[in-house]
Order: sequence, then structure tokens, then C-alpha cells
Amino acid sequence: ETGVTQTPRHLVMGMTNKKSLKCEQHLGHNAMYWYKQSAKKPLELMFVYSLEERVENNSVPSRFSPECPNSSHLFLHLHTLQPEDSALYLCASRQGYTDTQYFGPGTRLTVL
Amino acid sequence: GQQLNQSPQSMFIQEGEDVSMNCTSSSIFNTWLWYKQDPGEGPVLLIALYKAGELTSNGRLTAQFGITRKDSFLNISASIPSDVGIYFCAGRGNAGNMLTFGGGTRLMVKP
Repeated sequence: ETGVTQTPRHLVMGMTNKKSLKCEQHLGHNAMYWYKQSAKKPLELMFVYSLEERVENNSVPSRFSPECPNSSHLFLHLHTLQPEDSALYLCASRQGYTDTQYFGPGTRLTVL
Repeated sequence: GQQLNQSPQSMFIQEGEDVSMNCTSSSIFNTWLWYKQDPGEGPVLLIALYKAGELTSNGRLTAQFGITRKDSFLNISASIPSDVGIYFCAGRGNAGNMLTFGGGTRLMVKP
């Protein structure tokens, strides 16, 4: 399998559930990103892992918790989410010396 | 923070027509990227621009890096139904490696 993959593609969860989103990149890149895409809003950067350093958007609530065990895998752990967290969550990766980010297909999350 | 204004927000055109969209910034950008996103999918890179004044083509798509480094344009010639989707510009300024994204242009093509 090539490129950036994300699982699951669709997820419906209640506000008390705990779930995780997974991203895997097969491009040999060394930086990975989580974005949130809501209707009629620009892409919002949530977290960046670059050369094993974590950078985050300080406006992201603590109910979102990223994990990057190695340069190929990225997780987003979710707990006690709110309905307004429903969105398309996109993972992207980048090779350190370029600006171009390559996106996965996204996980469509619905919080009931 | 840096912001990108992308226009138009949406376009509804006839098949065969040419399309033009643009992004502008209040600050200088060093890189401009154009992506297309189909429904239910992630954005796919179309064209990357790295130099002011650069003009790059990818099939029927042509993008330009504005000479002021504060804008970029994407043109699609002879549109076809599969051009339907949302087109995003993205740019990197002087502050780090983060990309700033425009709000997107939703393109609809009538056969």
C-alpha cells in the first residue's frame, strides 16, 4: 500500500466513548500532521510531529491527544468529545526538506 | 497569524469553460501549493510553486506564483465534469514550516 492511509474512514461515537484514529504513511517522510476540517471553515492544524518533536495548536482541547510512536505512524486519541467535534480529520505527512504535504483520505467523525 | 483569502468561494460553470481562482495574503509567502479535494477524500496536490513569478502547468491546470509573493492564481482550461471539487491554496511564509490554507473554492461544472 502506498501514500498516506487512515483508519477508520468513518466513525460514529457517543460523547462518553474513547476511540482512536490511526494514520500511516508509506512515503518515508519524517513529519506528520493532524488537521480538522469542518464545513465552511479553512483547514485547522491540530498537531505536528516533526523529527520526533511535537508542536501543537494551543487552541486544541485536551480531549484530543496525539501519539507518534515512530515516523510512519500517528494516532489521535479521542475521549469525552462534544458534538461540535464532528468533522473530517485529516492526516498529512511531509519530507523534512520540502513544504509539500501529502494527505490521507480522512476519517469522517460524527459525535452523537 | 497569517491568513489567506481565496476567491471566489464557489463557481458554477458550463463544461468547456475556463476557470480562474486566486489566493491573496497580507504577508509574503515563500511557497504556494494548490490542492484539489473530492467529496469524502483528502486534498490531493495539483501544483507546487517555489519562486516568485513562476508559472507551472499540470495538464489543463496552470498556476502562477505572484511576483509580489503575496498572491497566487490557478487556471483550469476547458473544464470537464471531473473537475468538480474544492480547490485549496496553501502557502508557507517566513515563520517556520507550517502551511496556511485558504478557505477553498467549490467548483461545479454543468455538462
